[in-house]
Amino acid sequence: NAGVTQTPKFRILKIGQSMTLQCAQDMNHNYMYWYRQDPGMGLKLIYYSVGAGITDKGEVPNGYNVSRSTTEDFPLRLELAAPSQTSVYFCASKEGDEKLFFGSGTQLSVL
Amino acid sequence: GNSVTQMEGPVTLSEEAFLTINCTYTATGYPSLFWYVQYPGEGLQLLLKATKADDKGSNKGFEATYRKETTSFHLEKGSVQVSDSAVYFCALSAKGTYKYIFGTGTRLKVLA
Repeated sequence: NAGVTQTPKFRILKIGQSMTLQCAQDMNHNYMYWYRQDPGMGLKLIYYSVGAGITDKGEVPNGYNVSRSTTEDFPLRLELAAPSQTSVYFCASKEGDEKLFFGSGTQLSVL
Repeated sequence: GNSVTQMEGPVTLSEEAFLTINCTYTATGYPSLFWYVQYPGEGLQLLLKATKADDKGSNKGFEATYRKETTSFHLEKGSVQVSDSAVYFCALSAKGTYKYIFGTGTRLKVLA
């Protein structure tokens, strides 16, 4: 059972480049989340989804987009990378009142 | 709005010392409360949770009690080990929402 899988683990982008962070879960969870973790700032919610075809903004959505075409996948898109988006990104999923399952994270640097 | 405040780290302890990491929250109603742990290079994983006032969550020797009167959910362990070195996050989830609010995390370092 793989759980929540994130790719890539590390990435360096130049300012203005775009990329997609991939997230997939094999637990048939309806709820999926994207967080960013900045040093000393805890986790901030970027976007979340309560099921295929349904997404909504979290606390810090600017500069990001998401889609949820299937239950399994929840990719996060950065269109015009900025240094302020340098962070560690975590994808998570859950079902009902169960605990959040986290991926191992993507460390992104924008230079 | 809802928020979580936890003590700043890092916290450095000797093996077998007593651990307390403070966490207080602000929320309307009765949220569920959680402690998550993040080991180096990994994602967060649930350590324990409590869903109503006076509940005590426990796991791996860690405990936390949901105190509504003081809006607190402090994490404790009687005797820490080197393997407990990690970052600990307090979090809440308000009833009827799908969102989790996390504290800033407290780094714990246990020395042999």
